[in-house]
Amino acid sequence: EDQVTQSPEALRLQEGESSSLNCSYTVSGLRGLFWYRQDPGKGPEFLFTLYSAGEEKEKERLKATLTKKESFLHITAPKPEDSATYLCAVQAYDKVIFGPGTSLSVIP
Amino acid sequence: DAGVIQSPRHEVTEMGQEVTLRCKPISGHNSLFWYRQTMMRGLELLIYFNNNVPIDDSGMPEDRFSAKMPNASFSTLKIQPSEPRDSAVYFCASSLLTGLAGGEQFFGPGTRLTVL
Repeated sequence: EDQVTQSPEALRLQEGESSSLNCSYTVSGLRGLFWYRQDPGKGPEFLFTLYSAGEEKEKERLKATLTKKESFLHITAPKPEDSATYLCAVQAYDKVIFGPGTSLSVIP
Repeated sequence: DAGVIQSPRHEVTEMGQEVTLRCKPISGHNSLFWYRQTMMRGLELLIYFNNNVPIDDSGMPEDRFSAKMPNASFSTLKIQPSEPRDSAVYFCASSLLTGLAGGEQFFGPGTRLTVL
């Protein structure tokens, strides 16, 4: 069965404390893996698309990487404004599956 | 651009009533997606359209749900009759490229539906 899991479920960091979020997937025929950020009461906001193992994308303090079975979202020296829920989604053939998300809190 | 526009933002209705959610995608985008988000099931794709044509509605939970896209600038998601378990936040998203492979989807603010 196609599945996407994310860990940890919640993460609390001090400002400046770098860490990584994990997205693991078991799907047949990966077409792409996407990372979104969602703030409370808002729709998800697109961050990155990764298409093949070994690919990396960066944006400000965020860096996404992809292997054959998982993706990591690395957050370097986070700031309070990085607090949000981070969702990963996997496209497999004709469907897209979202993970449950990681709720990140960055404390000043 | 104003982004994806959804209305209403909040809807409270009673079980058995018809509910219609509306979406205006970003001008020039060729794909439109309807999602449902709940605490229990997360974000689920219900249906998507390419160039106004429904491509995959396998995520629509029941026949009570229907979606239309009469033109490139408007789509509706209708629930008739509504049930309490339909309570969720419904998102509309649009993408410049056709199909799921477009990757970057722009989400609207969502409609929070409560069915009593």
